[in-house]
Amino acid sequence: AQRVTQPEKLLSVFKGAPVELKCNYSYSGSPELFWYVQYSRQRLQLLLRHISRESIKGFTADLNKGETSFHLKKPFAQEEDSAMYYCALSPPGGFKTIFGAGTRLFVKA
Amino acid sequence: DTGVSQNPRHKITKRGQNVTFRCDPISEHNRLYWYRQTLGQGPEFLTYFQNEAQLEKSRLLSDRFSAERPKGSFSTLEIQRTEQGDSAMYLCASSFRSTGDRTGELFFGEGSRLTVL
Repeated sequence: AQRVTQPEKLLSVFKGAPVELKCNYSYSGSPELFWYVQYSRQRLQLLLRHISRESIKGFTADLNKGETSFHLKKPFAQEEDSAMYYCALSPPGGFKTIFGAGTRLFVKA
Repeated sequence: DTGVSQNPRHKITKRGQNVTFRCDPISEHNRLYWYRQTLGQGPEFLTYFQNEAQLEKSRLLSDRFSAERPKGSFSTLEIQRTEQGDSAMYLCASSFRSTGDRTGELFFGEGSRLTVL
């Protein structure tokens, strides 16, 4: 079964501290993986995708096929990073994007 | 183009009534999706259109739910004989995918919140 698991509902860190939001997926193949973010009072939007291998707003995510993980990391959290983060998976050549339950990140001053 | 637009933003209805939501995607996008989101959960896939063709429906989409995308432009999601369990945020998203591309980025609307009393 295709599944995305985000084990933490809430993650609270201090400003300037490193942050890691965990994501594990279940899929027998090579899916495309994404992180979407929803800031307060804004719509859900793409943060980054694994094929881009880029850093967005200081965030990076590494795909570990052996551990089937796609954790999101940032070395120094900022208050404006406070938001709801969703890990998502899409089968290759597919169209259905499957989302995890989300992790709320709260960055304290 | 201001992005994906959904109407109404909020709908309160009594159990047993029918409701309809509308989604206007980004104009050049050929794919349109409906998702449902309940409290504490991520968006759950409901259905997907490639242009005007509805190519997949989730098992979540009971026969009380119907979606259309006439002429491959806007889409409607109708829920007949609403139940309290239908209370949720209904999200629409659109994307553009050309031949050979991988899954495109989803652009979401702000959602339509349904409350069934």
